[in-house]
Amino acid sequence: KQEVTQIPAALSVPEGENLVLNCSFTDSAIYNLQWFRQDPGKGLTSLLLIQSSQREQTSGRLNASLDKSSGRSTLYIAASQPGDSATYLCAVPLPGTYKYIFGTGTRLKVLA
Amino acid sequence: EPEVTQTPSHQVTQMGQEVILRCVPISNHLYFYWYRQILGQKVEFLVSFYNNEISEKSEIFDDQFSVERPDGSNFTLKIRSTKLEDSAMYFCASTHGGSYNSPLHFGNGTRLTVT
Repeated sequence: KQEVTQIPAALSVPEGENLVLNCSFTDSAIYNLQWFRQDPGKGLTSLLLIQSSQREQTSGRLNASLDKSSGRSTLYIAASQPGDSATYLCAVPLPGTYKYIFGTGTRLKVLA
Repeated sequence: EPEVTQTPSHQVTQMGQEVILRCVPISNHLYFYWYRQILGQKVEFLVSFYNNEISEKSEIFDDQFSVERPDGSNFTLKIRSTKLEDSAMYFCASTHGGSYNSPLHFGNGTRLTVT
């Protein structure tokens, strides 16, 4: 059974810091891993999708890495800004499906 | 940029009543989903829909739930007789499909409160 865990559950950093969010999953038979951002009371915004054959994916100040064999992904945020404050979720699909299993998220607060 | 839209943003209903949550997926997307998030808990898969039929559903998606694509644009989730534990944020999502590496696009959700 696939389980997805995110550490830390919450993180508070001063503006300008580089930071790393962690995601781990128990079953390495995945097609991809997606990182989402969720603002309070809002939906999920897709940030990055990293395919199982890739090791990294970048979008602006965001960089996601994937190590399938160890069941880990990291989301690196460079030069954090107050506007980055949100909950960050990672999710993996069950093999052969579009049924995504989500982590509980990391709640990030970037202080001005 | 095209987006998934959901209405209403907030729905309050009494226990036992029927509710219909509405979604307009992105126009060229072929796969549609409902997920839900109970306050403070993980986002959970409910159902996926492709080619006018359910392709997968979770244990949560029992006989009280149904989905429909009544026309070429809307995708609805109906809960026939709501229970207190159905209170949650319900998210509609869509993907173009074509490969399992198509990203999921979510709407802003409908907050359902059952009293």
